[in-house]
Amino acid sequence: GAGVSQSPSNKVTEKGKDVELRCDPISGHTALYWYRQSLGQGLEFLIYFQGNSAPDKSGLPSDRFSAERTGGSVSTLTIQRTQQEDSAVYLCASSLGARETQYFGPGTRLLVL
Amino acid sequence: GENVEQHPSTLSVQEGDSAVIKCTYSDSASNYFPWYKQELGKRPQLIIDIRSNVGEKKDQRIAVTLNKTAKHFSLHITETQPEDSAVYFCAARYGGSNYKLTFGKGTLLTVNP
Repeated sequence: GAGVSQSPSNKVTEKGKDVELRCDPISGHTALYWYRQSLGQGLEFLIYFQGNSAPDKSGLPSDRFSAERTGGSVSTLTIQRTQQEDSAVYLCASSLGARETQYFGPGTRLLVL
Repeated sequence: GENVEQHPSTLSVQEGDSAVIKCTYSDSASNYFPWYKQELGKRPQLIIDIRSNVGEKKDQRIAVTLNKTAKHFSLHITETQPEDSAVYFCAARYGGSNYKLTFGKGTLLTVNP
């Protein structure tokens, strides 16, 4: 079956612009996660969804970052007024349930000029 | 919260040799420890995992060992092949959370033919 998909695969934007990153999880997976991967760093947890609700937003770096999930499926991560330090690969993962294996998407590589 | 340290950051071996990557974690309540492999430009993929009620797990050339007393776990790859070249990430799931993975910063493994 289809794995986790993300779009766009690459995004170049100017400082100060808003960007939206999309994640399509594996069908039937109730849990969805967003991570950020900076060069030479591990995966930094951003937010966790169970269904449409986000019980843990503790990893969002600032109030410029927000995310939503609709219909228990697609999720969108929005970064407002982008800064150069937001440049990174944003990875989405999903799992059948919270304690199950997390499957990752290919990521969106964001470059803020 | 959880903290995961991973060593070494880079590892170079000759084809056929063994490779060992070590991780330590801070929270004694952590109960699940997956390892992910990420090839250049690709998504992280789970290669093996271990739960806290088991000391060792093997899958062909890959094995993971867990020492709960010392709070460390290791990935062992035997008979390395060039296609094993990738970045490997360890992670730990904090016992106080049933979903959140904390990742190490990764090990770049290069297998020289």
